Amino acid sequence: GAGVSQSPRYKVAKRGQDVALRCDPISGHVSLFWYQQALGQGPEFLTYFQNEAQLDKSGLPSDRFFAERPEGSVSTLKIQRTQQEDSAVYLCASSATSGPYNEQFFGPGTRLTVL
Amino acid sequence: SQQGEEDPQALSIQEGENATMNCSYKTSINNLQWYRQNSGRGLVHLILIRSNEREKHSGRLRVTLDTSKKSSSLLITASRAADTASYFCATGPSVENAGNNRKLIWGLGTSLAVNP
Repeated sequence: GAGVSQSPRYKVAKRGQDVALRCDPISGHVSLFWYQQALGQGPEFLTYFQNEAQLDKSGLPSDRFFAERPEGSVSTLKIQRTQQEDSAVYLCASSATSGPYNEQFFGPGTRLTVL
Repeated sequence: SQQGEEDPQALSIQEGENATMNCSYKTSINNLQWYRQNSGRGLVHLILIRSNEREKHSGRLRVTLDTSKKSSSLLITASRAADTASYFCATGPSVENAGNNRKLIWGLGTSLAVNP
């Protein structure tokens, strides 16, 4: 596809359920980022992959959050035992290189609502 | 843990007027980027300015960067109703602070409304 895609676009989960959010980056993009965006706020960094290597996971809020990118393309963000405070839009972005001057291309996001 | 602060938080102007938004940040940076977000298209990259640059233009956009004041401004000239969106600045940390870190740190955004 031409851009970054994410699925599902909307997810409603009951508190305590596990969820998995998928990101398909632009083909060939080396870097992949996950962000969390609360209503009325800017994105907050969660984690960063360079190819299949997770180089930075300092933004993951707890050990209930786990991300992987096993083959260096598609990535999955998993949230275990969801809590109400996990409700947010989860954004995935990719960039072509691993260099510092990186324009990031964003997907439409997955809006997670935890009841 | 957001670094940038945009002001104003909200801005309402008439079509054809210019819009200026400001961003301040706290730590040394490698680059600063501006993004636009609206419900129709999500987050879209507008322009990137490197820490050794002072001004950059792209179409109707003009960005300035003052590293001594740790601030940037985004000017949109001759605004259109389609410019209605939230605008965010995001900073990339300097290499000496971040090594291979490529994460962007974001501000809270300016909500721009352009009235026809």
